[in-house]
Amino acid sequence: GAGVSQSPRYKVAKRGQDVALRCDPISGHVSLFWYQQALGQGPEFLTYFQNEAQLDKSGLPSDRFFAERPEGSVSTLKIQRTQQEDSAVYLCASSALQVPLYEQYFGPGTRLTVT
Amino acid sequence: SQQGEEDPQALSIQEGENATMNCSYKTSINNLQWYRQNSGRGLVHLILIRSNEREKHSGRLRVTLDTSKKSSSLLITASRAADTASYFCAGGSRLTFGEGTQLTVNP
Repeated sequence: GAGVSQSPRYKVAKRGQDVALRCDPISGHVSLFWYQQALGQGPEFLTYFQNEAQLDKSGLPSDRFFAERPEGSVSTLKIQRTQQEDSAVYLCASSALQVPLYEQYFGPGTRLTVT
Repeated sequence: SQQGEEDPQALSIQEGENATMNCSYKTSINNLQWYRQNSGRGLVHLILIRSNEREKHSGRLRVTLDTSKKSSSLLITASRAADTASYFCAGGSRLTFGEGTQLTVNP
């Protein structure tokens, strides 16, 4: 079956531009997560949705980062006024039920480069 | 902040050898998960071990968990070149990852 998909796969933005990253989770998965992965590091948690409710956004690094999942399926991570330190791979994952008991299925990621 | 710390940071072995990676974590967990990441397939879940389990097997994978020491180990037996990847442990309510062990299996 279809896995988690993300688009675009690659994004180059000039410093100061806004970007929007899309995640299509596995159909029917209740939980959706966003992670940021810097080069050579493990993924770092950004935010978590259960259906359309954003239950945890404590990992968002600044108020320039905003995520939404209005209908409980597709999610968008928006970064306003991008900075060079935002350059990273942004990973989306979905899970059938609630954390922390269940494995997460990851998308291929969006590699964001801010120039 | 990272929940887990993997050890070693890098490991290079020959095909057929066993590979052992260790993970230490900071806070109490309900379960600990191991993931593999390579450029071809992205981040893939390998195995989950619950806090009340001490050892778990899945194919060529063997995971141990010592909650008193807040540590876990991942053993890959009879390694293959295709096992070349970064391996991460992850746990906690927000699934916090360590920095990973880069495993290279030489044919």
